[in-house]
Amino acid sequence: DAGVTQSPTHLIKTRGQQVTLRCSPKSGHDTVSWYQQALGQGPQFIFQYYEEEERQRGNFPDRFSGHQFPNYSSELNVNALLLGDSALYLCASSLEGGGRRIGYEQYFGPGTRLTVT
Amino acid sequence: QKEVEQNSGPLSVPEGAIASLNCTYSDRGSQSFFWYRQYSGKSPELIMFIYSNGDKEDGRFTAQLNKASQYVSLLIRDSQPSDSATYLCAVKPGRRALTFGSGTRLQVQP
Repeated sequence: DAGVTQSPTHLIKTRGQQVTLRCSPKSGHDTVSWYQQALGQGPQFIFQYYEEEERQRGNFPDRFSGHQFPNYSSELNVNALLLGDSALYLCASSLEGGGRRIGYEQYFGPGTRLTVT
Repeated sequence: QKEVEQNSGPLSVPEGAIASLNCTYSDRGSQSFFWYRQYSGKSPELIMFIYSNGDKEDGRFTAQLNKASQYVSLLIRDSQPSDSATYLCAVKPGRRALTFGSGTRLQVQP
């Protein structure tokens, strides 16, 4: 049973450039959430995709956008990179369909370390 | 007030002791509670989840939830040096986004 996978592992970009990060969810999961984690901080929620739609969004600017494909995989795009975008970007998958009120355990991928110079 | 608060630590315990990690949250509508372990340079790993008041045990780990006090804790029995990591508390109100604390760094001294 494959877990959550992310690519690439590491990325170095220059300020002003654009970047695309990719995520494949755990088998059987239908929802992908993206987080940004700065050093010494907990993950900060960026957005969540379910049924190919952005269902929730955290306090991040429009420079951050995403997409979910029919096979549930997802991309995170960041435009006009700033030095402050340097962080570990985490993808987490969960099974959100089914109408439950509790649960929704999220499992993280290994992350993409983005460095903006 | 932060939505999820944890003491940043480090919490230092001797090998074989019980480590007690605490977390408070502000949203009374929270219904799902999670503990993640994160080793330095790695991604968070889900180790426990709890949805009802009381205790939930899994091996050396016990999660405790008190919704009236808006408090959730994680006990690690017989702590091992390999337990040294940052422990993240996460709270989820219904279908809203998972909210994390900043984590508590645990050091288990051999």
